[in-house]
Amino acid sequence: GDSVTQMEGPVTLSEEAFLTINCTYTATGYPSLFWYVQYPGEGLQLLLKATKADDKGSNKGFEATYRKETTSFHLEKGSVQVSDSAVYFCALNDQAGTALIFGKGTTLSVSS
Amino acid sequence: DTAVSQTPKYLVTQMGNDKSIKCEQNLGHDTMYWYKQDSKKFLKIMFSYNNKELIINETVPNRFSPKSPDKAHLNLHINSLELGDSAVYFCASSQAAGWGETQYFGPGTRLLVL
Repeated sequence: GDSVTQMEGPVTLSEEAFLTINCTYTATGYPSLFWYVQYPGEGLQLLLKATKADDKGSNKGFEATYRKETTSFHLEKGSVQVSDSAVYFCALNDQAGTALIFGKGTTLSVSS
Repeated sequence: DTAVSQTPKYLVTQMGNDKSIKCEQNLGHDTMYWYKQDSKKFLKIMFSYNNKELIINETVPNRFSPKSPDKAHLNLHINSLELGDSAVYFCASSQAAGWGETQYFGPGTRLLVL
């Protein structure tokens, strides 16, 4: 079945460091890909998404590019802030268009 | 205005009790979902309704029963609660049940079964 694999956390960075969180997927066809963020004690918020190969999703300084050839959707940010501390989830939505399939989440902790 | 709201936010109860969680969305969406987040933060789909019809029913104990009285509401009733039901339950909605649709999540209901 379809699945999403994320790098294990936690990821601990200093403010202004470069962030990469790796995400790869297994799916038939052409899934749409998402990054969601969960701040402590809150629900999930959509961070960005991409629906076809080579699309780049971006929001709040975060970017991810849909790479069909490597089945990846890695999340990057050039300069993290303390306020970016959260759990980040990579997810896919297959062409049946049903539920989101999530990775296990990566906890990011940014210190000043 | 809260787009997807859930009540209650916290629920502490004894094993064997029956409880309900309510979800409402004011986005005019056709599709609603219930997800379960376990203690390791892993999220898994439980149910999905499209226009009040059940379209996803994952391998969930039949003690869990969703009900959608209208498109804006999706409730979750849990019978005979067990310790393993302790988790955070998230409601979500999307414009349609289609590929590429963004799902909007509620704040979650933290259920603790003692």
